[in-house]
Amino acid sequence: AQRVTQPEKLLSVFKGAPVELKCNYSYSGSPELFWYVQYSRQRLQLLLRHISRESIKGFTADLNKGETSFHLKKPFAQEEDSAMYYCALSRIQGAQKLVFGQGTRLTINP
Amino acid sequence: DAGVTQSPTHLIKTRGQQVTLRCSPKSGHDTVSWYQQALGQGPQFIFQYYEEEERQRGNFPDRFSGHQFPNYSSELNVNALLLGDSALYLCASSFGTGGSNQPQHFGDGTRLSIL
Repeated sequence: AQRVTQPEKLLSVFKGAPVELKCNYSYSGSPELFWYVQYSRQRLQLLLRHISRESIKGFTADLNKGETSFHLKKPFAQEEDSAMYYCALSRIQGAQKLVFGQGTRLTINP
Repeated sequence: DAGVTQSPTHLIKTRGQQVTLRCSPKSGHDTVSWYQQALGQGPQFIFQYYEEEERQRGNFPDRFSGHQFPNYSSELNVNALLLGDSALYLCASSFGTGGSNQPQHFGDGTRLSIL
């Protein structure tokens, strides 16, 4: 079965502190992993995907196949990072059905 | 480019009624996927359309049906509405050639409330 688990519904950190949003998955095969973000009053948008191996807005995420995890990290949180974050997976090729986690609401305190 | 556009923004229906939601994909995209997002939950995949055919379907009953038009726009129809169908319905578009996995771009959604 395909499943994405985000264990924290809410996460609150202070500005300048490191951030880590956890994501674990179960999937038979090799999935592609994504992080989507939804800022206040904006639509859901792609933040990053593991095959791109890039850093977006200071965020990085490494796919750990052994631990089936894809945690999102940022060394120094900024107030504008406050948003809803969703981890998602799909097959690498073919149909692009996305399986989402429940989401983590990140709040950055000044 | 306005990106993915959905209509209407909000809709109120009563149990047993039928509803049609509409989606226009981002320019250049040919694949449309629909998701249901209940309050406090992540989006859940309903189905996906490519070349005017349903390519993949999630775990939703036959009351949920769809269509894709030659201009790639799409409709989601829900019959015999239940209270549990109250949710945000998201449309996402991408460019799919069958062998690639392009990122999906989401619309703002249609908020459906069932009374």
